[in-house]
Amino acid sequence: AQSVTQLGSHVSVSEGALVLLRCNYSSSVPPYLFWYVQYPNQGLQLLLKYTSAATLVKGINGFEAEFKKSETSFHLTKPSAHMSDAAEYFCAVSGGNNFNKFYFGSGTKLNVKP
Amino acid sequence: NAGVTQTPKFQVLKTGQSMTLQCAQDMNHNSMYWYRQDPGMGLRLIYYSASEGTTDKGEVPNGYNVSRLNKREFSLRLESAAPSQTSVYFCASIGGGAFLDTEAFFGQGTRLTVV
Repeated sequence: AQSVTQLGSHVSVSEGALVLLRCNYSSSVPPYLFWYVQYPNQGLQLLLKYTSAATLVKGINGFEAEFKKSETSFHLTKPSAHMSDAAEYFCAVSGGNNFNKFYFGSGTKLNVKP
Repeated sequence: NAGVTQTPKFQVLKTGQSMTLQCAQDMNHNSMYWYRQDPGMGLRLIYYSASEGTTDKGEVPNGYNVSRLNKREFSLRLESAAPSQTSVYFCASIGGGAFLDTEAFFGQGTRLTVV
């Protein structure tokens, strides 16, 4: 079984500051891990994914995430926040097989202050 | 390439009414999913279909039924709507296409209000 925990339902940063959104997972099989972004009144868009290749994954819009098996974590970072980054971010896990369930965390709303 | 298409985008129902949410994907994916999104609870899996002809319950299946009509289409039915089913519903599909997609592709969502 897989599950995801996102720490912090709301995160607020200043424009230009580091963004760090936390995600921890549990999985009985080698996981595939994902970060999605949702802008208001829109669907979910893939930011990046880890599929057992490089542990440091780079995504769109300057985001990246590092898979740390020892910590069962997949935290999302961006060196410098932009106003346009304000959105809700979801971490997700699957077993990697396209027949497996795909589980989401509860989401983190990122607020960027000018 | 339309991806995942959901209809309708908005719907208001009275308690006890029934309706079907439609979802279609054109990526030749095997797996399709229905989620509901509620504030502070993220996306919760209602039902999924790992392949054409199969369906399974997710985390919150009560009050819903699904049909995998063919490889492209996966519908969600509310037989007797309740106010607790007021939510945003997302359909998603994964994998099996030419590029062996591993991530979920989402529709734009259906905003359902039950009064």
